[in-house]
This record gives sequence, C-alpha cells and structure tokens, in this order.
Amino acid sequence: DGGITQSPKYLFRKEGQNVTLSCEQNLNHDAMYWYRQDPGQGLRLIYYSQIVNDFQKGDIAEGYSVSREKKESFPLTVTSAQKNPTAFYLCASSSPDILNTEAFFGQGTRLTVV
Amino acid sequence: ELKVEQNPLFLSMQEGKNYTIYCNYSTTSDRLYWYRQDPGKSLESLFVLLSNGAVKQEGRLMASLDTKARLSTLHITAAVHDLSATYFCAGLETSGSRLTFGEGTQLTVNP
Repeated sequence: DGGITQSPKYLFRKEGQNVTLSCEQNLNHDAMYWYRQDPGQGLRLIYYSQIVNDFQKGDIAEGYSVSREKKESFPLTVTSAQKNPTAFYLCASSSPDILNTEAFFGQGTRLTVV
Repeated sequence: ELKVEQNPLFLSMQEGKNYTIYCNYSTTSDRLYWYRQDPGKSLESLFVLLSNGAVKQEGRLMASLDTKARLSTLHITAAVHDLSATYFCAGLETSGSRLTFGEGTQLTVNP
C-alpha cells in the first residue's frame, strides 16, 4: 500500500543534541513538506522540497536542516540551535500531477527535550 | 505568497444542527484541501477541490469551492458527536508547490 512513513513515533532529545526525523513516501510524489505543530496550535511550515536536490525554507526554518537526495526521502534534522524543539512534527507529500491530486500526511513524530 | 484564513476558530454546536466553516485565501490556488485532525493524531484527508464550483460530499460533510471569491466552505449537516475534531483547510500555491494551512477550526458537538 502507498503512503508516508515517519519514524520514530516518539523521540527524546537532550540539550545540545542534534536529532534526525525520518520521512519516507512510496506515492511517487514530487513535493514533500515538514510542519511543526505546538499544542492547540495550527501547522507551521519548516521546509519543503519540490524536486530532488532542491528545497526551500518555510516560515520557521531556523534551527532545522533538511536534505532531499532521493525522491522518496526527506529527513529533517533538529539542530542544537533550535532552542524550543518540543513539538509534534508532521511530514506530508503531494504531486503536481492533475491525476494525482491528494496530499497525504505521515503519522507524525512527537519530539520532547529532556 | 498565499495566505489562508479560517473562521470561526472555535465552534461549539448541538447535535442535529447545521453549520458552515469558511476558508478564505489570498491569491490564486491550484487546489484547496480539507483535513480533519483528532487530538494527538495526524491529519486525515477529507476533500480535494480543484476547480470553480467544485462540490464534494462525504456523509454529513460537504465542501465547495468558489475560486472567484477565493472562498471554500465546509458544511456540516445534522452534526453528531463523532464529528468533534479540528478541521483545517489548505491551499496549494499556483507557482511552486508550497502548501499553506489555515489556523484550524476546533469543532465540538455537544449531545
């Protein structure tokens, strides 16, 4: 079955540590996205990528980094420069193809600083 | 840059009543999406609207799109408690693939 897989589901980070969140899709979608959601809030765009080896900053990119070496994968690294990383992180993908119009989300990763 | 605004942000309604959530967007958008989110969960896709006048229905939910007014609506008919959730609309920018979300509408259906 096609879909988006995020891992891990829960992640704990120590102060000053970098951590990487995984996002893999087998939907053959060109575009992939990372959003952050704080409790009771909406979704804020961190980074997005339209094609392999290219990505753009969203509204809150500071303290985060991404790569897009393969169409299927769009990992997000939360660096030590992100001072308040505790949040729910959601990955999504979409396609510009008029016959493939859905934009799907993974199950999310809940990151907590300990 | 596309801006998306939803209203109301909070909606408390009684079972059996009808109501509408509004989603306004600022510039041309290729597609308009509606999602549902339950507490602690990810987003579940409800509808994708592609063209002016598009209407889609699933159960007690019906979504429509007016591209001239840059407005989409999500209409709830005869609400039931199971519809309690947060509903988001999102627009896909015509230039590029940026997917921008509204603030969300937290719906509570009371018995």
